[in-house]
Amino acid sequence: NAGVTQTPKFRVLKTGQSMTLLCAQDMNHEYMYWYRQDPGMGLRLIHYSVGEGTTAKGEVPDGYNVSRLKKQNFLLGLESAAPSQTSVYFCASSYSRRNTEAFFGQGTRLTVV
Amino acid sequence: AQSVTQPDIHITVSEGASLELRCNYSYGATPYLFWYVQSPGQGLQLLLKYFSGDTLVQGIKGFEAEFKRSQSSFNLRKPSVHWSDAAEYFCAVISNSGYALNFGKGTSLLVTP
Repeated sequence: NAGVTQTPKFRVLKTGQSMTLLCAQDMNHEYMYWYRQDPGMGLRLIHYSVGEGTTAKGEVPDGYNVSRLKKQNFLLGLESAAPSQTSVYFCASSYSRRNTEAFFGQGTRLTVV
Repeated sequence: AQSVTQPDIHITVSEGASLELRCNYSYGATPYLFWYVQSPGQGLQLLLKYFSGDTLVQGIKGFEAEFKRSQSSFNLRKPSVHWSDAAEYFCAVISNSGYALNFGKGTSLLVTP
């Protein structure tokens, strides 16, 4: 049982390039999330999805777009990468809103130069 | 907005000593509270959670946490720390939207021989 899988694990981008981070979960979870983790900042929510075809903005959505075309996948896109987007990105999923745990992927370390 | 504060950025304890990591929350009603652990280079793993009922919650790896409404706290404890407990610890609360977690900035635990 893979749980939550993130692709890729590492990436270096040049400023202005675009890329898509893929998150896949095999637990049939309705809810999926993208967070970024920066030193001393904890994890901050970028976007989330409460079901297939739905997405919503989190705390720090600027510069990112997301899509949830299939229930098991949640894509995070950077249209024009900036050095400020250098971070570790985590995807998570959960079964319901409140009283179940969120399962996290292993993270994607992105560096924008 | 629901938020959590972890007052201690770094904590160092000796192996075998007891541990208490502090977490204070800001919330109007009964919060849904969580503690996660992140080992170096890894994703986050749930240690324990509190939704209601008994205010002393038992988790994995010998951890426990106590919910104290009067102090708006949810401190994590362990009676005897092992070297493998060295990690980053995050306290979290369900966000206003009810869909995602708001994380504290984390406490880094160092365990000395």
